[in-house]
Amino acid sequence: KAGVTQTPRYLIKTRGQQVTLSCSPISGHRSVSWYQQTPGQGLQFLFEYFSETQRNKGNFPGRFSGRQFSNSRSEMNVSTLELGDSALYLCASSFEQGTGTEAFFGQGTRLTVV
Amino acid sequence: DQQVKQNSPSLSVQEGRISILNCDYTNSMFDYFLWYKKYPAEGPTFLISISSIKDKNEDGRFTVFLNKSAKHLSLHIVPSQPGDSAVYFCAASGWGNKLVFGAGTILRVKS
Repeated sequence: KAGVTQTPRYLIKTRGQQVTLSCSPISGHRSVSWYQQTPGQGLQFLFEYFSETQRNKGNFPGRFSGRQFSNSRSEMNVSTLELGDSALYLCASSFEQGTGTEAFFGQGTRLTVV
Repeated sequence: DQQVKQNSPSLSVQEGRISILNCDYTNSMFDYFLWYKKYPAEGPTFLISISSIKDKNEDGRFTVFLNKSAKHLSLHIVPSQPGDSAVYFCAASGWGNKLVFGAGTILRVKS
């Protein structure tokens, strides 16, 4: 069974630009969550999608948005990039929505904003 | 506010001995707890989990203990191996798949 696939693995963008990251969950998983990892803040929850609906949202500005398609693939978009957006962005997929379900992570996308 | 805390930034253990990683939480609504292992520039790898209705869960060399009254959980690795050297994250969830992570503990297993 293929794991969680994130593309691209690495990205360099300029301040003010926008970026779209992609995540393909494990086959059969309908929940996709996104996390940001930075040295200062650790792993922070961005949002979760289940059956194409955003079910949960973290404390990030509106520049961070996402969506989920009918095949459960998800995209995350960051507009008007700032230097502080440089981070490892991780996608996690889960089978169920609701507590008691393990989340499996992809390799991440390393975003560098210059 | 840090709802999940891993107070030890690092831990060094001799190969073959037990590694004990600790985690404390403050939110009593958390009812599912997970441990992940992570290498730099990679995604976290799921290790083991425990529901709040249990106080222990074992999987091979890994055992997680949960003390709900103390809001404390620990991960035991026995015996520790050099390949276990990594950053270990404790995570907690309530309803939904939102995970709240601790800051992580760097484990070094010396051979």
